[in-house]
Amino acid sequence: GQQVMQIPQYQHVQEGEDFTTYCNSSTTLSNIQWYKQRPGGHPVFLIQLVKSGEVKKQKRLTFQFGEAKKNSSLHITATQTTDVGTYFCAGSNNDMRFGAGTRLTVKP
Amino acid sequence: EADIYQTPRYLVIGTGKKITLECSQTMGHDKMYWYQQDPGMELHLIHYSYGVNSTEKGDLSSESTVSRIRTEHFPLTLESARPSHTSQYLCASSQGVAGNQPQHFGDGTRLSIL
Repeated sequence: GQQVMQIPQYQHVQEGEDFTTYCNSSTTLSNIQWYKQRPGGHPVFLIQLVKSGEVKKQKRLTFQFGEAKKNSSLHITATQTTDVGTYFCAGSNNDMRFGAGTRLTVKP
Repeated sequence: EADIYQTPRYLVIGTGKKITLECSQTMGHDKMYWYQQDPGMELHLIHYSYGVNSTEKGDLSSESTVSRIRTEHFPLTLESARPSHTSQYLCASSQGVAGNQPQHFGDGTRLSIL
C-alpha cells in the first residue's frame, strides 16, 4: 500500500540556521499536505500542494511538490525558536498517509 | 480555529476499566479519525469513519472500538484498559468523504493506565 517516508527524524539547529525536511512516497500522490505540531499541542494544517512542481511560500517557509508528485520538501529560512515542533507531511490518493514527522529543536 | 472537541483532556485510570473517549465536531464534516500518538512522535491511525453508521479499522491494531451514530460524534471505547494503552489519543475530522482534504485535530486526550 501507499507509504510516506519522511526524513530526517530529528533536526537540531542553531537559531538563524536553515532547516529542511523531506517527504517521499512510493506512489504518485494526488496532493500533499504539511502540518506543524507544537510541543504539547496537536497537528495544525499548514498548506496543501496539488500541482506537479508546485512551490508555495508562507513567510520564511517554502513548500515544494516534486515534478513526479512523489516527493515534497519544507524549507525554513533563518529558523526562530517559535519554529520548534514536529513537522508532518501527509500524502494523499484515496486515503491520506502521514509521514513519521521531523522533530525540530532550535537552540537560541 | 477548528471546532473539534475532545474530552477528557487527561485521564489516569486503573487497569481493567472500561473507558470512552469523546470527540465532537461542529463543522458538519463527514470523515472522522482517531489517532494514537506518543508525544511528538508518529501518528498511528486506529479508526476512521466516512459518515453515519460507517466505521473502519486503521493501520494500527487496536483493542478499541468506535461508533458513529451522529455526524458530529465519534467516541472511542476501550473495553478493558491496559498499561500498553497509555498514550495520547487525537481525534480529527475532514470535509467530504474523500481522503485528500485537510484534517482538523482536537486537543487530544492524554491517557495513563496504571
